[in-house]
Amino acid sequence: DAKTTQPPSMDCAEGRAANLPCNHSTISGNEYVYWYRQIHSQGPQYIIHGLKNNETNEMASLIITEDRKSSTLILPHATLRDTAVYYCIVTTKGTYKYIFGTGTRLKVLA
Amino acid sequence: EPEVTQTPSHQVTQMGQEVILRCVPISNHLYFYWYRQILGQKVEFLVSFYNNEISEKSEIFDDQFSVERPDGSNFTLKIRSTKLEDSAMYFCASMTGLRNTEAFFGQGTRLTVV
Repeated sequence: DAKTTQPPSMDCAEGRAANLPCNHSTISGNEYVYWYRQIHSQGPQYIIHGLKNNETNEMASLIITEDRKSSTLILPHATLRDTAVYYCIVTTKGTYKYIFGTGTRLKVLA
Repeated sequence: EPEVTQTPSHQVTQMGQEVILRCVPISNHLYFYWYRQILGQKVEFLVSFYNNEISEKSEIFDDQFSVERPDGSNFTLKIRSTKLEDSAMYFCASMTGLRNTEAFFGQGTRLTVV
């Protein structure tokens, strides 16, 4: 089973920030949090990942709480092309396989 | 930008036939994976492959499935005798294997078993 829980769906107005929460209360000290998205049935696309510090790249920001039990992915200015299913994943040690949950279906509205 | 490529993009096969799905991982990557996604369902882990052998497999990955890295560049998934329920998108992924790196996914092969 996935080690994360996410709301099933969210809407966001185009141009506004999209804040997608994720709960990973059983995360271990050396496990990373990864975010991917999937547009239609395309291959999952990497967005960002982090361990305990907040991270930012050209796509998004990742805010991880101090206790590491939850995180928030922020898309600062959502566009219609950001409409997708967003997955929060905690990697497993060893083979680094991903266990996908059901993700959050983000719909960006014009 | 380097990418994982999968062929074919769509394969239709008759039940009971063997299929081979092909993937070319990113060249300096060491870990390879297959995942599948049945229409409308979650992405599911099938198998991981490292150092020319399976390092982990899921319950889905039964004796009908096998993987191979025949020539140092391709990574294949074979389904020996396809069933209707094998119809799904199959995604290949690769990663360097360093702890703080991400996996890159291919665009998938849509397998339709009729």
